[in-house]
Amino acid sequence: QLQLQEAGPGLVKPSETLSLTCNVSGESIRDSDYYWGWIRQPPGKGLEWIGSFFHDGTTYYNPSLKSRVTISIDTSKNHFSLKLTSVTAADTAMYYCVRDGYYGSGPFDFWGQGSLVSVSS
Amino acid sequence: EIVMTQSPATLSVSPGDRATLSCRASQSVSSNLAWYQHKPGQAPRLLIYGASSRDTGIPARFSASGSGTEFTLTITSLLSEDFAVYYCQQYTNWPHSFGQGTKLEIQ
Repeated sequence: QLQLQEAGPGLVKPSETLSLTCNVSGESIRDSDYYWGWIRQPPGKGLEWIGSFFHDGTTYYNPSLKSRVTISIDTSKNHFSLKLTSVTAADTAMYYCVRDGYYGSGPFDFWGQGSLVSVSS
Repeated sequence: EIVMTQSPATLSVSPGDRATLSCRASQSVSSNLAWYQHKPGQAPRLLIYGASSRDTGIPARFSASGSGTEFTLTITSLLSEDFAVYYCQQYTNWPHSFGQGTKLEIQ
């Protein structure tokens, strides 16, 4: 059974870089026909797609975050990572890693449990 | 960028009744539309994909329809566990975008 689990610090200082990792079990990212990605939900707000990637290096980012976001993959560990630079309080959110659609055209069908990240000094 | 708009923002319905939620896309997304249920403290759950197909294990009281720009999620015979926030999401174009959500609350 496919499982995703986020890991990373729960507190990040303003202007620093938020880093999260998604550990994937039950499926090889390198051999997958699916995209993988990150979604977040600020407190009291809706879901916001951050970005998604395919193992061939194809990556898409939300235009509103593109200048600050990097998603990378480590196939040897079967995990992928999110880096968000120059964070502010507006980046405080629950961050979810997800399996995105089949070749990028499908729903988010598997979700991690989420990792709450607060931006505060 | 395709903008997804859900209505109403909040829907108050009694258990046992029917709830109808709407989602509109700013341009056609064909049938590339999903619905999710999100409860506090849990990850969102995929209910519907392809505008009308229920995901594995989703009860038949959840049904959905639509194509192009207008979509509907209907929940019949509401149970207490159905009260949550529901999101629609398009995956026709990047960026894949969500609606702002409809909160289904107990009347």
